[in-house]
Amino acid sequence: GENVEQHPSTLSVQEGDSAVIKCTYSDSASNYFPWYKQELGKGPQLIIDIRSNVGEKKDQRIAVTLNKTAKHFSLHITETQPEDSAVYFCAASRGGGTSYGKLTFGQGTILTVHP
Amino acid sequence: EAQVTQNPRYLITVTGKKLTVTCSQNMNHEYMSWYRQDPGLGLRQIYYSMNVEVTDKGDVPEGYKVSRKEKRNFPLILESPSPNQTSLYFCASTIRTGRIYTQYFGPGTRLTVL
Repeated sequence: GENVEQHPSTLSVQEGDSAVIKCTYSDSASNYFPWYKQELGKGPQLIIDIRSNVGEKKDQRIAVTLNKTAKHFSLHITETQPEDSAVYFCAASRGGGTSYGKLTFGQGTILTVHP
Repeated sequence: EAQVTQNPRYLITVTGKKLTVTCSQNMNHEYMSWYRQDPGLGLRQIYYSMNVEVTDKGDVPEGYKVSRKEKRNFPLILESPSPNQTSLYFCASTIRTGRIYTQYFGPGTRLTVL
């Protein structure tokens, strides 16, 4: 089955700096890669996703890149703000077939943005 | 407002006492899932459902049951809870767009089994 590795497990940055979180996956058939943000006491919230036919996607201060050959994808947050502090999860999914889009998650990254 | 709701949000129980965690979605989604979240392990899928009366096991189904009698509801049942089921549980509702399944999570249920 799919295996997703996420690094780093913790990340501390100063406000205004950039943050990068990296994930690798094992199943070359995976075609959908969402990122979730989880704030304390809340469920994971989808913040951005990318499909396998796209190499990069941006949404304001957040961007995700995908390298299918190397089987890794990354989350980039620019101009970080204290409210970006949360746990971030990457995930991978095959979509379609009998998997019904089951998500395999990375272990999570605790991001702390210091004012 | 589109949302996934879970109840209860917090539950402390004792070993062997049957419990049910409810999940409801108002988005008319066909697909729903249950996950558990444990430190250092991320989220792992327990069970999922493709539609009413259609369910299947995820990665960690042991000790759990589910049912899908109505499209909007997907309860998680622990017939005889044990301490290793102490965890944070999330229900997710999924919309399919072509071959892409996008999942939306509920607020979570923190379960402690003594």
